[in-house]
Amino acid sequence: QKEVEQDPGPLSVPEGAIVSLNCTYSNSAFQYFMWYRQYSRKGPELLMYTYSSGNKEDGRFTAQVDKSSKYISLFIRDSQPSDSATYLCAMRDYGQNFVFGPGTRLSVLP
Amino acid sequence: DAGVIQSPRHEVTEMGQEVTLRCKPISGHDYLFWYRQTMMRGLELLIYFNNNVPIDDSGMPEDRFSAKMPNASFSTLKIQPSEPRDSAVYFCASRRTGTTEAFFGQGTRLTVV
Repeated sequence: QKEVEQDPGPLSVPEGAIVSLNCTYSNSAFQYFMWYRQYSRKGPELLMYTYSSGNKEDGRFTAQVDKSSKYISLFIRDSQPSDSATYLCAMRDYGQNFVFGPGTRLSVLP
Repeated sequence: DAGVIQSPRHEVTEMGQEVTLRCKPISGHDYLFWYRQTMMRGLELLIYFNNNVPIDDSGMPEDRFSAKMPNASFSTLKIQPSEPRDSAVYFCASRRTGTTEAFFGQGTRLTVV
């Protein structure tokens, strides 16, 4: 079992749809949870960051962390074609190593 | 700030040749990370430095891989000799102590033929 698993992939939705991206993990020591967005042929860039459990909202994006279930989610409301990218969840404990999920490729169709 | 700068952006080399990838982190960032990204394995941490000192190189796949950070503004990842299975996109990232976000460079796409 991989340390971080990401589901689903790949995903294609119409413009305006609500998108749900999810990751599960096995290491209960993880405390910091992040979502990175990676456009084609670019480096990942941080989209959302959450410490421990709870929800965080930023515009059309909402990140949720459920440490009891070892499950994190990213919701995108009113999805736009510009949201088309690969979304990577990432997490770390109090150390320095970020562990990344394999990524979900999202296509938002106009 | 120009962000994390990597060079070259693309490298095509023959099997057995030495390859050197370069990275300039963001000024003031004291952590530097080297990652490798492939379709099969995703984004994997190879090694990271703190204040120019290698802290964890457990992700370096083989002795053919080596990394150095001679000063706070420059790091190299060297593969000698290179093999076709080393073909991947290699990313450098940097971060400042006390912050969570790691900033990534544009990556170097390496193809070994």
